[in-house]
Amino acid sequence: GQQVMQIPQYQHVQEGEDFTTYCNSSTTLSNIQWYKQRPGGHPVFLIQLVKSGEVKKQKRLTFQFGEAKKNSSLHITATQTTDVGTYFCAGSRGQNFVFGPGTRLSVLP
Amino acid sequence: DAGVTQSPTHLIKTRGQQVTLRCSPKSGHDTVSWYQQALGQGPQFIFQYYEEEERQRGNFPDRFSGHQFPNYSSELNVNALLLGDSALYLCASSLEGGTAYNEQFFGPGTRLTVL
Repeated sequence: GQQVMQIPQYQHVQEGEDFTTYCNSSTTLSNIQWYKQRPGGHPVFLIQLVKSGEVKKQKRLTFQFGEAKKNSSLHITATQTTDVGTYFCAGSRGQNFVFGPGTRLSVLP
Repeated sequence: DAGVTQSPTHLIKTRGQQVTLRCSPKSGHDTVSWYQQALGQGPQFIFQYYEEEERQRGNFPDRFSGHQFPNYSSELNVNALLLGDSALYLCASSLEGGTAYNEQFFGPGTRLTVL
């Protein structure tokens, strides 16, 4: 079946450093969504990517969708303590919707 | 405008018991999906309801069943509870019957503990 993997599993950064998480699918995806889950909270939608090679930016966050539509990345520039949480990618192929295991980000002040 | 609400917040059951979790979608949303999130893992898709019917199902046994009401609210039922069913159960609502291209709004979840 379809599998979605993310690396790294954990990332500890000093405030102000950059952070990147990578998402890889075993199959070509129709689209990919990114969610953020704060400790003790629920996933919150960040963005959706649909087109091959698509790049979207939200302030300090940059999202990319690979040319082959099998991988994606989220890059945060100059992390802040408010960026703490787990970042999940979720890919769909038809109506099959699969979350990755997430990357847990810790930001040290 | 209320977001997605879930009840109860926490629940403790023993093995073999049955449980019902409830979800009210965001106003205007017609589709409800249920996820199981074990500690330290990503949400696992259980099933999705649209127009009061189960549209799609993940890799979960028949012990997991659900229902959607005419007002779009939904219930998740789990029978013959196992210790491994302990998890955070998340409900997510979206528009127009599909998760593929629609943003999902998650509720706060129900924390189920099976002893």
